[in-house]
Amino acid sequence: GAGVSQSPSNKVTEKGKDVELRCDPISGHTALYWYRQSLGQGLEFLIYFQGNSAPDKSGLPSDRFSAERTGGSVSTLTIQRTQQEDSAVYLCASSFSTGRGGNTIYFGEGSWLTVV
Amino acid sequence: KQEVTQIPAALSVPEGENLVLNCSFTDSAIYNLQWFRQDPGKGLTSLLLIQSSQREQTSGRLNASLDKSSGRSTLYIAASQPGDSATYLCAVRPQNSGYSTLTFGKGTMLLVSP
Repeated sequence: GAGVSQSPSNKVTEKGKDVELRCDPISGHTALYWYRQSLGQGLEFLIYFQGNSAPDKSGLPSDRFSAERTGGSVSTLTIQRTQQEDSAVYLCASSFSTGRGGNTIYFGEGSWLTVV
Repeated sequence: KQEVTQIPAALSVPEGENLVLNCSFTDSAIYNLQWFRQDPGKGLTSLLLIQSSQREQTSGRLNASLDKSSGRSTLYIAASQPGDSATYLCAVRPQNSGYSTLTFGKGTMLLVSP
């Protein structure tokens, strides 16, 4: 696609429910990132996928959070047993393969999650 | 641990002014620095990427500089317009965290009034 696509754009869920957020990166991009942005806070790194390598999960805040990337393209971020503190914007980004110089990272519009 | 600070947190200027946004980072061991803008309720739009070996990058009315040794970057916006109103974020890719993470500042919220 032309840009990074995320769905749903908005999600309201009850505390304790599971949610799935989807990210479709730019075609050809091998690197995919998930970030979280809470109200008034900076962006918080969650997880990173690069090609077929094992993902960097060092930013996941708890074991309720998991993510997978199927076929090196679409990624799903799953939050189990949601809590109110999970309310945030979940941003997905992609780039070409990262090297020492790095490449421009392109972000999607985000999935706005509200846990009530 | 790398920390990124942006000053000021908010800035209001009249249309037509030139302005400078500041970004500082604590660890100069970075691969690159990227400036983004974020409109309310939207994702991030990449503006400029500066590699660690570069001193500046320009795109239209935007010019970003990088002084890696002092841990500073500036984003210069010439002849500001109301459409420039947004939050501007800078992010660095630290060398000591592999390729995966960007460390972001909290942003400068810019308002350009007509």
